Amino acid sequence: SQQGEEDPQALSIQEGENATMNCSYKTSINNLQWYRQNSGRGLVHLILIRSNEREKHSGRLRVTLDTSKKSSSLLITASRAADTASYFCATVLSGGGADGLTFGKGTHLIIQP
Amino acid sequence: NAGVTQTPKFQVLKTGQSMTLQCAQDMNHNSMYWYRQDPGMGLRLIYYSASEGTTDKGEVPNGYNVSRLNKREFSLRLESAAPSQTSVYFCASSDRVYNSPLHFGNGTRLTVT
Repeated sequence: SQQGEEDPQALSIQEGENATMNCSYKTSINNLQWYRQNSGRGLVHLILIRSNEREKHSGRLRVTLDTSKKSSSLLITASRAADTASYFCATVLSGGGADGLTFGKGTHLIIQP
Repeated sequence: NAGVTQTPKFQVLKTGQSMTLQCAQDMNHNSMYWYRQDPGMGLRLIYYSASEGTTDKGEVPNGYNVSRLNKREFSLRLESAAPSQTSVYFCASSDRVYNSPLHFGNGTRLTVT
């Protein structure tokens, strides 16, 4: 079952602009994680944010979490061509459970040079 | 430091054939996972192993079996392949189940004809 849903499904911006992707989920979570997938490769972990955190930064990445709205956003500032990839949010439900880490369907980001 | 290594990278099977996908990690992680990725479906968990000696079903376990051979290795077996199992299979590992980032291999692209 899909817990997280990313929005938009696809996003195309010019190099140097900021890119924002959103993730909504349905039930209480323990933590939420963002991953990047380049074409033909495995997923790479970007940021993990716990349910008691509201914002985390890593380099040009900023992740926010609003548990009252059951949503998270990933902001990539000053985008580069190398940021072209699919981005997935993944949630861990409170109390764990058989589903483990549940992924959304992803946002495909294209950075135009 | 190779991280998570999956073999083979590509495989074509005929319906009814069997095969085993191999996965090994060199990060001394406790937990290992098998996911499948289909277009438009995101990643879905097949099986996971929270620690050496244990395995549990994920969201889509039917048609698959797993073996946690030792702490490093976690294999996925298809006993009688079906066209519905055409997919990209990813193995991942993490230090702890649920609460630490997953490290992914580069995937096995399986086609069942």
